[in-house]
Amino acid sequence: SQQGEEDPQALSIQEGENATMNCSYKTSINNLQWYRQNSGRGLVHLILIRSNEREKHSGRLRVTLDTSKKSSSLLITASRAADTASYFCATATSGGSNYKLTFGKGTLLTVNP
Amino acid sequence: NAGVTQTPKFQVLKTGQSMTLQCAQDMNHEYMSWYRQDPGMGLRLIHYSVGAGITDQGEVPNGYNVSRSTTEDFPLRLLSAAPSQTSVYFCASRPGATRTEAFFGQGTRLTVV
Repeated sequence: SQQGEEDPQALSIQEGENATMNCSYKTSINNLQWYRQNSGRGLVHLILIRSNEREKHSGRLRVTLDTSKKSSSLLITASRAADTASYFCATATSGGSNYKLTFGKGTLLTVNP
Repeated sequence: NAGVTQTPKFQVLKTGQSMTLQCAQDMNHEYMSWYRQDPGMGLRLIHYSVGAGITDQGEVPNGYNVSRSTTEDFPLRLLSAAPSQTSVYFCASRPGATRTEAFFGQGTRLTVV
C-alpha cells in the first residue's frame, strides 16, 4: 500500500494567494520529500526534510514535518500561474542499507491568473 | 549531461505482446526504480535496483521483469502485455542511500489494446 497520502486532492486558488498541501504517512521514515509534476512531464524534486528536522525553506516553499503525527505540509507562498502542477510527497524508508522511495497520490494545484 | 532518458515516449501494444522499456542514466547513480502512474493512484513502485546485479520487487511487480547489468541501464520488460498495464511508466535514479532525491525521466505512455 502507498505510504503517503496528500490532502486535498485538488486545490484551486488565485494568483498571489498561498497554497497549502498536506501529506500523511504511515510508518517511520528517514526523510520526506516533495515533488512537482507538470502535465505530461516527469517529476521534479522540490525539497527534502529529514526526520530530525521540523521546518525547512527553499525560496517560496516552506515544508514542515511532524513525526509524532506522521504528517507534513508544503506551503507555496505568493503563488503564480506557473505553479499550476501536481504535487507529490514521497517518503524514504530504510530497510537495512536499502531505501525505498514511495509516493502519495498527489494534489493537483491550479493557480488562476 | 542528459540525466535520465526513457525510450520510447509512446507505445501501443496488443494484448499478449512483449516489449522492453528502456531507461538510461548518465549520472553514475546507484539506485534506479521503475514506477507506474495511473489516474487517481499516484506513483506505484514496480521494481528497483540498488546497484548493478541487484534488483528487488516493489509494490506492483507482477507481469514485469527487470535486470541491472550495468550502472547506467535499467530496462523494464513486459512479458505478456495486458490491458491492465496501460499506464504511464517512469524511471527514476538516485545517487545512493545517503542522498535520496530522485531524478525522473520524461515517461513512457503505454497503451495495451
